[in-house]
Amino acid sequence: DAGITQSPRHKVTETGTPVTLRCHQTENHRYMYWYRQDPGHGLRLIHYSYGVKDTDKGEVSDGYSVSRSKTEDFLLTLESATSSQTSVYFCAISDPPGQLNTGELFFGEGSRLTVL
Amino acid sequence: AQSVTQLGSHVSVSEGALVLLRCNYSSSVPPYLFWYVQYPNQGLQLLLKYTSAATLVKGINGFEAEFKKSETSFHLTKPSAHMSDAAEYFCAVSAVDMRFGAGTRLTVKP
Repeated sequence: DAGITQSPRHKVTETGTPVTLRCHQTENHRYMYWYRQDPGHGLRLIHYSYGVKDTDKGEVSDGYSVSRSKTEDFLLTLESATSSQTSVYFCAISDPPGQLNTGELFFGEGSRLTVL
Repeated sequence: AQSVTQLGSHVSVSEGALVLLRCNYSSSVPPYLFWYVQYPNQGLQLLLKYTSAATLVKGINGFEAEFKKSETSFHLTKPSAHMSDAAEYFCAVSAVDMRFGAGTRLTVKP
């Protein structure tokens, strides 16, 4: 177990409301990621962070923002949730890929979000 | 750019039969390749990874995968399926960032 906690694990909300998902790690890994999982699409990268206050967009970043004020916490915010954002969201952590590291990801248990 | 294609969204085998899950990748640079497994209501766990040290990679639970550069493939196999192998399996490629295939759901029939 890589010491990754996601909260909340389940959330139901209404269209137009803001939602924040939290990922907390105890492993001191530099890289953190948010993915969404949808049937037929596998996992798609939303945003990632390569250090405190350093973030970048993934392939499906529209409608999402992130913040990382501490090494251990990475927040994903939906400013105004839409039904298309109903999904299971996974946080992952890794060391930076390079000669000594393959960039292997360690995953949290997921947060199931339903937007009505 | 890199991408992964998993052939077959569902695979069904009988207990004791060979498991073969197919993965083809595309990468502009030499990649790292991974297989992850996901059990219901859980996150993904690493099954095995290819890091260029050896083309035949052995993982947990009796799974192995062979990297074939000429075929750009990294298929996952297990000689004898067990009921506990029923799960969803994801192939992934990492060069610039980690990209996942759409997943293959494995069903094991008694």
